[in-house]
Amino acid sequence: KAGVTQTPRYLIKTRGQQVTLSCSPISGHRSVSWYQQTPGQGLQFLFEYFSETQRNKGNFPGRFSGRQFSNSRSEMNVSTLELGDSALYLCASSLGWVNEKLFFGSGTQLSVL
Amino acid sequence: GIQVEQSPPDLILQEGANSTLRCNFSDSVNNLQWFHQNPWGQLINLFYIPSGTKQNGRLSATTVATERYSLLYISSSQTTDSGVYFCAVEGSQGNLIFGKGTKLSVKP
Repeated sequence: KAGVTQTPRYLIKTRGQQVTLSCSPISGHRSVSWYQQTPGQGLQFLFEYFSETQRNKGNFPGRFSGRQFSNSRSEMNVSTLELGDSALYLCASSLGWVNEKLFFGSGTQLSVL
Repeated sequence: GIQVEQSPPDLILQEGANSTLRCNFSDSVNNLQWFHQNPWGQLINLFYIPSGTKQNGRLSATTVATERYSLLYISSSQTTDSGVYFCAVEGSQGNLIFGKGTKLSVKP
């Protein structure tokens, strides 16, 4: 079956703009998590959605938000972009139960100029 | 919060060699996973291994939960094994906490 799909693959934005990233999970998976990867901070958890509800949240400012639709697809939004938001944004999906494998997409590489 | 440390940070191998990557964690865990990030950025899930030993082809992993470490073994390495290997454990928020990774380069 198809894996986790993230779009777009690359994005270039300027400071102050906003951006929306999309993630389609594996069919049947109800949980979608978002992670930010930077060379300095590594992989950091942003938030997790399960059945259209945010279930967990990491330590990121309110400029980072997300949502999940009834078909489990998820979007992540970053408003008022800053240079430090340049990163690889990775989405992961799972069935949503405790202690199970996560499956990641290829990521969206965001560059903020 | 829980700390995850991986060693070595960098590893260069000749094709055909074997290697062992280590992951230490600071507290007991119910969820430990190993990932390989390829040069294109995709994270591939290698093992879900909170305890015990698993094998998948040339790769195997062992987690000794009581001593808070996990090992990833790569045998007969190939150039396609190059990339970054991450260990991740479950944090208090139900998310995964990643180590900084081991960057592996396999030379032909």
